[in-house]
Amino acid sequence: QVTLRESGPALVKPTQTLTLTCTFSGFSLNTSGMCVSWIRQPPGKALEWLAHIDWDDDKYYSTSLKTRLTISKDTSKNQVVLTMTNMDPVDTATYYCARSLGSDDGFDIWGQGTMVTVSS
Amino acid sequence: SYELTQPPSVSVSPGQTARITCSGDALPKQYAYWYQQKPGQAPVLVIYKDTERPSGIPERFSGSSSGTTVTLTISGVQAEDEADYYCQSADSSGTYRVFGGGTKLTVL
Repeated sequence: QVTLRESGPALVKPTQTLTLTCTFSGFSLNTSGMCVSWIRQPPGKALEWLAHIDWDDDKYYSTSLKTRLTISKDTSKNQVVLTMTNMDPVDTATYYCARSLGSDDGFDIWGQGTMVTVSS
Repeated sequence: SYELTQPPSVSVSPGQTARITCSGDALPKQYAYWYQQKPGQAPVLVIYKDTERPSGIPERFSGSSSGTTVTLTISGVQAEDEADYYCQSADSSGTYRVFGGGTKLTVL
């Protein structure tokens, strides 16, 4: 059974750096074609793709956020980590990680999401 | 930046057919994917690669593609289908993923 679970702080202050961890099971990021993405959703708003990392360590970022994002993987721990710098209240959202079976494929399995609030 | 355009809302009565469109310039080149999201839940993939249905998704869900528009069709809509629906694809290079703005399906 494939599962993903997001973890990280529920509350961060403006200007701080957010670090989120996606811990997954049931598949390996060493498998050819496998990818994990981060996606967020502000309250009441649409989904927004943030970044993804491929099995071969290729990384892609949203053009509007790329200066603030870093994605990395630890295949030994089955984890993908996203850092977002200079957090702002507009970054308040539920953050999801999700798996895809190809770098341009859809997201077949999602984590349950973690809500992050940015407030002083 | 690349955008996918969806209608904000669609309303249908139970048993009718709901059609939700998604438009984007790169859709002739890139596959589209559709997700259903109910309140407080993570999205669920209901259509992949324009027309394919994952296992476990009811047959009343189908997808089609024509030029720069893809369509999610729900035949014989049931009350449980009331949800937000998002299309997703990639830009023409296939590098960057993008979501549509979402469509709220209301079952009257």
